Amino acid sequence: EDKVVQSPLSLVVHEGDTVTLNCSYEVTNFRSLLWYKQEKKAPTFLFMLTSSGIEKKSGRLSSILDKKELFSILNITATQTGDSAVYLCAVVNTNAGKSTFGDGTTLTVKP
Amino acid sequence: GAGVSQSPSNKVTEKGKDVELRCDPISGHTALYWYRQSLGQGLEFLIYFQGNSAPDKSGLPSDRFSAERTGGSVSTLTIQRTQQEDSAVYLCASIRGLMNTEAFFGQGTRLTVV
Repeated sequence: EDKVVQSPLSLVVHEGDTVTLNCSYEVTNFRSLLWYKQEKKAPTFLFMLTSSGIEKKSGRLSSILDKKELFSILNITATQTGDSAVYLCAVVNTNAGKSTFGDGTTLTVKP
Repeated sequence: GAGVSQSPSNKVTEKGKDVELRCDPISGHTALYWYRQSLGQGLEFLIYFQGNSAPDKSGLPSDRFSAERTGGSVSTLTIQRTQQEDSAVYLCASIRGLMNTEAFFGQGTRLTVV
């Protein structure tokens, strides 16, 4: 059974801090790993990672995948209160295209 | 449509009643997923459709849960004889096709069973 574990479960920082969120996985026939941000109800897409060692970057957010050690990290630099959200990691299995989600990391950024 | 639409946005029902949740995916998206999210938890996979067929129903929690999709578009998730543990947010996501992996989520239906 595919499995995704995220850590930490929750994190409280102050504006301007840099945070690193972790996602480790076990999946048969790995296709891709995705990061989502969930602020209220609907998760919104951040990154899709398919290859090891290639950093994806969007503004203050960046992410990288290690397919040998089976993990990914999501970095947020110079955090802002608007970054407060639940960050979800999901892996996609090629057999079914099914996404398996982790429980998420709840990030709170204080002013 | 412009995005994934779910209805109703909120539903309060009495224990034992049946409920039907609706999802309108993005036009042209062939894959559709249902997830359930309890408070403070991650997304729990329920079922997915490729076109009108459901190759993987493994996530449905019990035989009280069923789902269908017609015309390769709208999907309904039905919960019969609701129980309090069914209370959660039910999220629908559509994907252009199984070769694509970015999922577009609806705003969800918050179901409360009292």
